[in-house]
Amino acid sequence: EAGVTQFPSHSVIEKGQTVTLRCDPISGHDNLYWYRRVMGKEIKFLLHFVKESKQDESGMPNNRFLAERTGGTYSTLKVQPAELEDSGVYFCASSQGLGQSNSYNSPLHFGNGTRLTVT
Amino acid sequence: GIQVEQSPPDLILQEGANSTLRCNFSDSVNNLQWFHQNPWGQLINLFYIPSGTKQNGRLSATTVATERYSLLYISSSQTTDSGVYFCAVRDPLWQAGTALIFGKGTTLSVSS
Repeated sequence: EAGVTQFPSHSVIEKGQTVTLRCDPISGHDNLYWYRRVMGKEIKFLLHFVKESKQDESGMPNNRFLAERTGGTYSTLKVQPAELEDSGVYFCASSQGLGQSNSYNSPLHFGNGTRLTVT
Repeated sequence: GIQVEQSPPDLILQEGANSTLRCNFSDSVNNLQWFHQNPWGQLINLFYIPSGTKQNGRLSATTVATERYSLLYISSSQTTDSGVYFCAVRDPLWQAGTALIFGKGTTLSVSS
């Protein structure tokens, strides 16, 4: 079974530019999450999709961040325009959804992350 | 919301030493996971352990849910064990979703 895949693994952009991160969850996982770790701090929750719907986006820092999951498969996270404080590692995770198992107790499987550097 | 506290914040070991990392949480949980973020930034899932004890090679973990803590044991540490160890729990009262809440991590440095 393929794991959670994130692309690119690294991205270096200038302040004011746009970057789009992609996440391919484990096949069949309805739940998809975005997290980030900024400047060696805590890993913070950004948002949660159930299939194509945003279940919880309480962690999104501001309107420069836009996440989509069209068709309920892969997801993209766009940062536009990027600021210096957006630098960090962005993680995507997925877990099984309702009907597949007790999703509330299903472990989250994380991708390797995208390291974003804004200069 | 639920609070997750990890200790110690930093740990320096000689190769071959054993260590215990602790995770305390402020309320009952039904999902707890331990992760290792390696020096390359990758987040590796170590254990899914809402209760009980599990072992995987030199690593083992124990969660005592009734007392709201979990322990991660690393035996015969190696330099490749260096990195940050995170504990993460799911808040059963977070009705909006099923996301994990992370502690601040324990930074482990193993020298040869």
